[in-house]
Amino acid sequence: KAGVTQTPRYLIKTRGQQVTLSCSPISGHRSVSWYQQTPGQGLQFLFEYFSETQRNKGNFPGRFSGRQFSNSRSEMNVSTLELGDSALYLCASSSGTGRYFGPGTRLTVT
Amino acid sequence: QQQVKQSPQSLIVQKGGISIINCAYENTAFDYFPWYQQFPGKGPALLIAIRPDVSEKKEGRFTISFNKSAKQFSLHIMDSQPGDSATYFCAASLGSNDYKLSFGAGTTVTVRA
Repeated sequence: KAGVTQTPRYLIKTRGQQVTLSCSPISGHRSVSWYQQTPGQGLQFLFEYFSETQRNKGNFPGRFSGRQFSNSRSEMNVSTLELGDSALYLCASSSGTGRYFGPGTRLTVT
Repeated sequence: QQQVKQSPQSLIVQKGGISIINCAYENTAFDYFPWYQQFPGKGPALLIAIRPDVSEKKEGRFTISFNKSAKQFSLHIMDSQPGDSATYFCAASLGSNDYKLSFGAGTTVTVRA
């Protein structure tokens, strides 16, 4: 089976812009969760989607949002980018106990 | 606030030695404790996981020890190899079907040949 894919892998944006990141889960996995990884804060949970519904949400401002499509693919959006949003954004797809992470999207905000 | 505290931040071990990473948690409702390995440029990969009803679990050279009363768990990497050089994260969640993982800060392990 193909693994979790995330696009794009690298992104440079300017403060105030918005960005959309995409995640394609492993075939058959219906849960997709998103994490932000930074050197200072480590890995932090953003949100989780299951069958197109947000089931869980972390402690991030409303500028961070996401959605899931009927084919389980997921997108996350960050509006009004801030310098502190520079991070590696990881998506994980799950089925049962297994959680499989993609390679991440490296977002740099200048 | 970090719900899972991990130490040390980094460690260096000689090839063939034992690497030990410790984690502590506060939330007694946590019911699932996985460990992840991350190489530069890659996403974390699940190594091994344990439930609190088990005190030890071994998979190959990797062993998790779990102390429920102390709310602590640890990863032992036996016979460490240069290929084990990576960052290791402990994590916890409310159950194996709870996809909101709380991660430790990570430990960078360097295995010297």
